Amino acid sequence: KAGVTQTPRYLIKTRGQQVTLSCSPISGHRSVSWYQQTPGQGLQFLFEYFSETQRNKGNFPGRFSGRQFSNSRSEMNVSTLELGDSALYLCASTWDNNFNYGYTFGSGTRLTVV
Amino acid sequence: TQLLEQSPQFLSIQEGENLTVYCNSSSVFSSLQWYRQEPGEGPVLLVTVVTGGEVKKLKRLTFQFGDARKDSSLHITAAQTGDTGLYLCALHTDKLIFGTGTRLQVFP
Repeated sequence: KAGVTQTPRYLIKTRGQQVTLSCSPISGHRSVSWYQQTPGQGLQFLFEYFSETQRNKGNFPGRFSGRQFSNSRSEMNVSTLELGDSALYLCASTWDNNFNYGYTFGSGTRLTVV
Repeated sequence: TQLLEQSPQFLSIQEGENLTVYCNSSSVFSSLQWYRQEPGEGPVLLVTVVTGGEVKKLKRLTFQFGDARKDSSLHITAAQTGDTGLYLCALHTDKLIFGTGTRLQVFP
């Protein structure tokens, strides 16, 4: 079965711009979570969507937002980009937000803000 | 906020050596997962441990969940260059909380 697909793989943006990242989960998975990975902070949870509803949100400013569509595909948006937003953004899907099912991660989008 | 501390932070070894990485928490957790992440890729689930004292084996990898359910270890026997990567433990509350990670480099 196809894995979790994230697009684009790489992105370079300028401070102040906004960016949209896309995640297509494994077919049948209804939960999509987003994570930010940086060398200093490690992997940090951004938010989780289930059946088009945000179920959980991490401690990130309101510039970070997301949404989920009826086909479970998800997008995250970052507005007014800052240099510190440079990171690997990962999405993960699972059938439900149940630990024992395990999470499948995409390969990530590497965002560089200059 | 529950924190997962992993040790060591970095590990550099030769092929054929054995190694153990640790994941510790100040709180009890119900279950724990281990992931491996290779450069440029997302983490890949290796195992889920759910019972205190549980031991699971995945080829040369042995995972143990502490009796008190506050710690876990991953032991690799006869490391290979393909084992190189970032090893992450994670627990689940209403989201995945990842440990600080152990970066393993195996040299030929």
